[in-house]
Amino acid sequence: KNQVEQSPQSLIILEGKNCTLQCNYTVSPFSNLRWYKQDTGRGPVSLTIMTFSENTKSNGRYTATLDADTKQSSLHITASQLSDSASYICVVGTSYDKVIFGPGTSLSVIP
Amino acid sequence: EAGVVQSPRYKIIEKKQPVAFWCNPISGHNTLYWYRQNLGQGPELLIRYENEEAVDDSQLPKDRFSAERLKGVDSTLKIQPAELGDSAVYLCASSWRNTIYFGEGSWLTVV
Repeated sequence: KNQVEQSPQSLIILEGKNCTLQCNYTVSPFSNLRWYKQDTGRGPVSLTIMTFSENTKSNGRYTATLDADTKQSSLHITASQLSDSASYICVVGTSYDKVIFGPGTSLSVIP
Repeated sequence: EAGVVQSPRYKIIEKKQPVAFWCNPISGHNTLYWYRQNLGQGPELLIRYENEEAVDDSQLPKDRFSAERLKGVDSTLKIQPAELGDSAVYLCASSWRNTIYFGEGSWLTVV
């Protein structure tokens, strides 16, 4: 069964600190992996997208990694800001144009 | 360039009443999605369109939910009659080159 799991479910960090969010997937056939940021009350916004041959992708203070062998991805946030408080959703796309959403990690950055 | 536009943003209705949501995707995007997102969870696909054809509606509760995209551009999602469990955010999205662009969502509360 195609599934995407994320950990931790929620996270609280101090402003300025770094953090790493995890995504494990069992999706086949794999096509791509995306990380989305969803602010409260807003629609998700794409942060990064990686295909099978890419193992890292950066977008400002966000760096995503992909290990297609172990089927794991991480999203690293550097020097967190209050505006990083949001839900971060890992999404895996298949070769058949299906996308499977993870449940998200809720991040709270506190001053 | 305008993003995915949805309306209404918020809707409160009594159970057993009908409700309709409208979505206008990004110009030129042939693929349109309707998702439902419950609090603290990732979006779940209801239906996916390629132009005016519904290519994946396997998760759409067809006894009460219906959707249409008559001219392959904007789309309407209808619930009739609404139930308490339908309270959720209904997200519309369109895609281009493996990136899904979401609207801000329509927040439905059924009382």
